[in-house]
Amino acid sequence: AQTVTQSQPEMSVQEAETVTLSCTYDTSESDYYLFWYKQPPSRQMILVIRQEAYKQQNATENRFSVNFQKAAKSFSLKISDSQLGDAAMYFCAYTGPSGTYKYIFGTGTRLKVLA
Amino acid sequence: GAVVSQHPSWVICKSGTSVKIECRSLDFQATTMFWYRQFPKQSLMLMATSNEGSKATYEQGVEKDKFLINHASLTLSTLTVTSAHPEDSSFYICSAGAQAGYSNQPQHFGDGTRLSIL
Repeated sequence: AQTVTQSQPEMSVQEAETVTLSCTYDTSESDYYLFWYKQPPSRQMILVIRQEAYKQQNATENRFSVNFQKAAKSFSLKISDSQLGDAAMYFCAYTGPSGTYKYIFGTGTRLKVLA
Repeated sequence: GAVVSQHPSWVICKSGTSVKIECRSLDFQATTMFWYRQFPKQSLMLMATSNEGSKATYEQGVEKDKFLINHASLTLSTLTVTSAHPEDSSFYICSAGAQAGYSNQPQHFGDGTRLSIL
């Protein structure tokens, strides 16, 4: 069975600095997707970034980028130039090769941004 | 982009009543919808997978008679919490996946329903 592990329950970062959130996963599949979701206090799930397992290039979305290490089954999220609005819960998620597959979420990392 | 509407956003009701939560995909057809439950400061826990026109698949430990799921069309799935009790109070989130013909699209989440049972 697939598992997703986030070992950092809470992280803090100074405004304008860079922070990296860790995620590891376990699967025997070769084709899958990985995601980072942001959940602010409103509890809305906001897609931050996604990575297709077959792509070697790390995904980037503006200030957000990932370090995808397929062999190591690691998928970390780097937030550059942190902003106060980045404060939220961040969930790493794994899913199969189509939208019919269920998501498996990590336990989450609460990110605090200090002014 | 794809939008999923979840209704109601917040409901308070007395113990013993049944509560229905709707999840609609507004601008695409979803062959599969998922229902999650989230306790405070915890992660999302998958309750069941709902496929249009067929019975839902429930995760281990989820009571299918307590949490009734119906997915009668490609744009609507409902979760009914039957005879709700205070321990059923939680945040419920739906998501819709597999826009027809686009198998590699991510799921789209509703905004969630906060259920409080008195």
